[in-house]
Amino acid sequence: SAVISQKPSRDICQRGTSLTIQCQVDSQVTMMFWYRQQPGQSLTLIATANQGSEATYESGFVIDKFPISRPNLTFSTLTVSNMSPEDSSIYLCSVDRGGRSEQFFGPGTRLTVL
Amino acid sequence: QKEVEQNSGPLSVPEGAIASLNCTYSDRVSQSFFWYRQYSGKSPELIMSIYSNGDKEDGRFTAQLNKASQYVSLLIRDSQPSDSATYLCAVTDTGRRALTFGSGTRLQVQP
Repeated sequence: SAVISQKPSRDICQRGTSLTIQCQVDSQVTMMFWYRQQPGQSLTLIATANQGSEATYESGFVIDKFPISRPNLTFSTLTVSNMSPEDSSIYLCSVDRGGRSEQFFGPGTRLTVL
Repeated sequence: QKEVEQNSGPLSVPEGAIASLNCTYSDRVSQSFFWYRQYSGKSPELIMSIYSNGDKEDGRFTAQLNKASQYVSLLIRDSQPSDSATYLCAVTDTGRRALTFGSGTRLQVQP
């Protein structure tokens, strides 16, 4: 597995503001992903964070709302822009070191938008 | 659109019993299958992966895969109260790598 950290662990934000979530891995990884878990729901993929190029977004998620950076093989950020209460969720990053597609998750960021 | 289906539960079993969790998937090109355990307020933890038909055992856990019937299951032997959690089934295919999750089954092990 890998040691994955996320910052912040939780935040309470006002409507219309933006929050940037950081994901740091203790070693280089092939792929990084961002998921959202809404209250009482399962995980939904937001995007694949590609190193050195634009992220690949899933249907229903757009770059203007969820800009993603991945400047190197150990770090990525997800920004939740112009937030509304519907964005209240847990945001999770995961990493895939290659091979058999096993993914490991960070501890998550619990976001509440008022 | 890939779909992964799980019974939401709760599945309630007595301590020491076998818990059986099931998952079906719609996409025949799915190649890799995973079970994650998620405790309340925590992130998912990978407990089993399986890639070929048959059974795979790891301690008290056994994953079973049947690609022809498009289902994957997880058996937990000698269930303990600490096994009480939500179990998420996830699948992916060789080209995509990102996971598609089921809605999860909540397991309750009664002492």
